[in-house]
Amino acid sequence: SQQGEEDPQALSIQEGENATMNCSYKTSINNLQWYRQNSGRGLVHLILIRSNEREKHSGRLRVTLDTSKKSSSLLITASRAADTASYFCATERDDKIIFGKGTRLHILP
Amino acid sequence: NAGVTQTPKFQVLKTGQSMTLQCAQDMNHEYMSWYRQDPGMGLRLIHYSVGAGITDQGEVPNGYNVSRSTTEDFPLRLLSAAPSQTSVYFCASSYSSTGGSTEAFFGQGTRLTVV
Repeated sequence: SQQGEEDPQALSIQEGENATMNCSYKTSINNLQWYRQNSGRGLVHLILIRSNEREKHSGRLRVTLDTSKKSSSLLITASRAADTASYFCATERDDKIIFGKGTRLHILP
Repeated sequence: NAGVTQTPKFQVLKTGQSMTLQCAQDMNHEYMSWYRQDPGMGLRLIHYSVGAGITDQGEVPNGYNVSRSTTEDFPLRLLSAAPSQTSVYFCASSYSSTGGSTEAFFGQGTRLTVV
């Protein structure tokens, strides 16, 4: 299975702090994506990083990809209450987009 | 531009009944897929399609059928509902490009309960 596994499963931090989530996967991939899901809602795409890229930024988000270690990290800087959500990594290979089980992030006031 | 539209939003079925979950997108995306989400399990891929007339199985295809007669629509059929199919179902679509698909757009989900 190429499924990504996020770590940690749950994370609580104070507002203003940085949040880091990790994703590990098992097979070679074409790209890796990160999504956010607010409770009871559909997923929203955050960022895509291709297998030949090592780092991407989008606003307060920073994603890294290490294909030799088969791992990725998502950093959210200066967290806000609105960042409270579940975050999923998704890997693509052979036209299949496979999701991990997610990290539940809770931003404390 | 409605994006990805799923119907119905909620459904209760009796064991053994069949039904079709509808999914439509108006973005001319080639790639469409169905997932189910269960507590603690993340999203699991049921079936996917890389274009009209082409479908393939994902991680958990048993008990489900799909077809892709048009670019816009990708219905998911439950042949004989079982309590194990109680879940939230998400449809997604994206462009396909060389080297993999681009960002996926998700519908708001269908919450299905089988009793």
